[in-house]
Amino acid sequence: DVKVTQSSRYLVKRTGEKVFLECVQDMDHENMFWYRQDPGLGLRLIYFSYDVKMKEKGDIPEGYSVSREKKERFSLILESASTNQTSMYLCASSFPGEGVVNQPQHFGDGTRLSIL
Amino acid sequence: GQNIDQPTEMTATEGAIVQINCTYQTSGFNGLFWYQQHAGEAPTFLSYNVLDGLEEKGRFSSFLSRSKGYSYLLLKELQMKDSASYLCAVMDSNYQLIWGAGTKLIIKP
Repeated sequence: DVKVTQSSRYLVKRTGEKVFLECVQDMDHENMFWYRQDPGLGLRLIYFSYDVKMKEKGDIPEGYSVSREKKERFSLILESASTNQTSMYLCASSFPGEGVVNQPQHFGDGTRLSIL
Repeated sequence: GQNIDQPTEMTATEGAIVQINCTYQTSGFNGLFWYQQHAGEAPTFLSYNVLDGLEEKGRFSSFLSRSKGYSYLLLKELQMKDSASYLCAVMDSNYQLIWGAGTKLIIKP
């Protein structure tokens, strides 16, 4: 079974702090993703990566950065946390698609982050 | 803009059948995914459709009509454990997933 592990289930931080969310996958997936999930909204893509040291901005990258130094690890960084970044953060990974067959993303359990 | 619509909430009875609809307007189409998400847990993959028609997997089936921008997830012989949110996601021309807000399914005995 694919295992995507996020470092914390719950996290409370203060405004202005630098926050690190870690994600590790054990299936040798090339693709990794960071989303946030808020009530009434679909998952929104923050950043993604298709390879080591590669990163691409998603739909809502402002206030975030990422790091992918190793294939299995993808870190999300909140440079200076703000209250509007209180949310559920989900990490996902997948293999690349093959022709018309696109591979499903596998998710971690999420980190519920509260910024006070 | 890109848009995925699905009902916010549905209620059904244990043992019955329920159909959860998803309509989409996206820039390009490279497949549609359904995920199940129990409260406080990770979304888990249920099905993938890229061609028109019905895909069946046990009690769950998913249908796609690309010309209508429409899909549905059909759940048969509902069980209490099927109470969850069901997320519809479309892969657009850039191979990015566009997500619906999810349908919360409540199963009553």
